Amino acid sequence: NAGVTQTPKFRVLKTGQSMTLLCAQDMNHEYMYWYRQDPGMGLRLIHYSVGEGTTAKGEVPDGYNVSRLKKQNFLLGLESAAPSQTSVYFCASSYGLNQHFGDGTRLSIL
Amino acid sequence: AQTVTQSQPEMSVQEAETVTLSCTYDTSESDYYLFWYKQPPSRQMILVIRQEAYKQQNATENRFSVNFQKAAKSFSLKISDSQLGDAAMYFCAVNSGYALNFGKGTSLLVTP
Repeated sequence: NAGVTQTPKFRVLKTGQSMTLLCAQDMNHEYMYWYRQDPGMGLRLIHYSVGEGTTAKGEVPDGYNVSRLKKQNFLLGLESAAPSQTSVYFCASSYGLNQHFGDGTRLSIL
Repeated sequence: AQTVTQSQPEMSVQEAETVTLSCTYDTSESDYYLFWYKQPPSRQMILVIRQEAYKQQNATENRFSVNFQKAAKSFSLKISDSQLGDAAMYFCAVNSGYALNFGKGTSLLVTP
């Protein structure tokens, strides 16, 4: 039972490069979320989705885009990476309020 | 806007003892849920316990229990019979719709 799988687990980028983080869940959950976690901070919501084909902004959406073309996948894109986007990124999914988290992606931008 | 405040950046407890982690929150919602998540060094986010605000009875899960004071907007976590495996970051959270707002966390150290 995989749950929520994030790909990749680690990545180093140069400023200005682009990349996409993939989140996949096998629990048939309607809701999916992307958070970022910075040192000394809790998780902050970037974007979320309440169903296939829908997305919405969270607390810190600037510099990120998302897509939910398939119910099981939620993609987070960085079009032009900046050092301020160095963080650990968590994806989560839920049917109700109990969120199931992936193991996180550590992203460093030089 | 919702805010979640964890005023204890670090706490320490001896094995087998009891420790209480504090959390206060502010929300304009009348119906909401509160959560405690554990994040061990492995970085996983693990749900420890959940409290529905409309319930007066405090939630318990084995050695973990909460003291929910709705009027004071306080939601503390009590860990009884602490074990070495309880060492982790603990995050308090309140829901906003289906998303969660997290506090900054409390680092719990468990000493033998």
